[in-house]
Amino acid sequence: QKEVEQNSGPLSVPEGAIASLNCTYSDRGSQSFFWYRQYSGKSPELIMSIYSNGDKEDGRFTAQLNKASQYVSLLIRDSQPSDSATYLCAVTGNQFYFGTGTSLTVIP
Amino acid sequence: GAVVSQHPSRVICKSGTSVKIECRSLDFQATTMFWYRQFPKKSLMLMATSNEGSKATYEQGVEKDKFLINHASLTLSTLTVTSAHPEDSSFYICSAARGTVNSPLHFGNGTRLTVT
Repeated sequence: QKEVEQNSGPLSVPEGAIASLNCTYSDRGSQSFFWYRQYSGKSPELIMSIYSNGDKEDGRFTAQLNKASQYVSLLIRDSQPSDSATYLCAVTGNQFYFGTGTSLTVIP
Repeated sequence: GAVVSQHPSRVICKSGTSVKIECRSLDFQATTMFWYRQFPKKSLMLMATSNEGSKATYEQGVEKDKFLINHASLTLSTLTVTSAHPEDSSFYICSAARGTVNSPLHFGNGTRLTVT
């Protein structure tokens, strides 16, 4: 079982819609959870951090964490074509674990 | 925010030569840095953990004699690809975290290596 699992996609949403990205993790002791955005040919960029159960909002982005279900998600409201990228979920336990990423395409 | 600088951003070299990639933490000290490799449309692959003042820890399957890592100061780690071959062509990315193990990783801009 992988430490962090994501649906690889591709996920396509129309411009203006909500994009929902999901991630599950295996280590119940994980304490920190991150979402990164990676454009093609570029390195990952941190967009959200979440450490406790519940929702955390930052602009159009909302991260949701449910430790009981070992589930973390990222919602992108009012999706824009510039949001088209691969989104990586990352979890820290005794080390940093990345998911394989979900490819998102926002269709104008 | 934390800034990690990586240089060069792109390098083309001939087969058999060596290439050095530098990774610097610009506004914080990093006792640990991480080196990743990524092939097109593939996920990040951790190659090694670079530890300041001690030997790097390599992931299984990564040749330590081929990918030499030096972490001589709290702000600089280098990765040298020795005797490069075309199959070493890839996107190499370094990262570092400010603070505790629960801090996010910040990535350099990556180095696109092409071996001809």
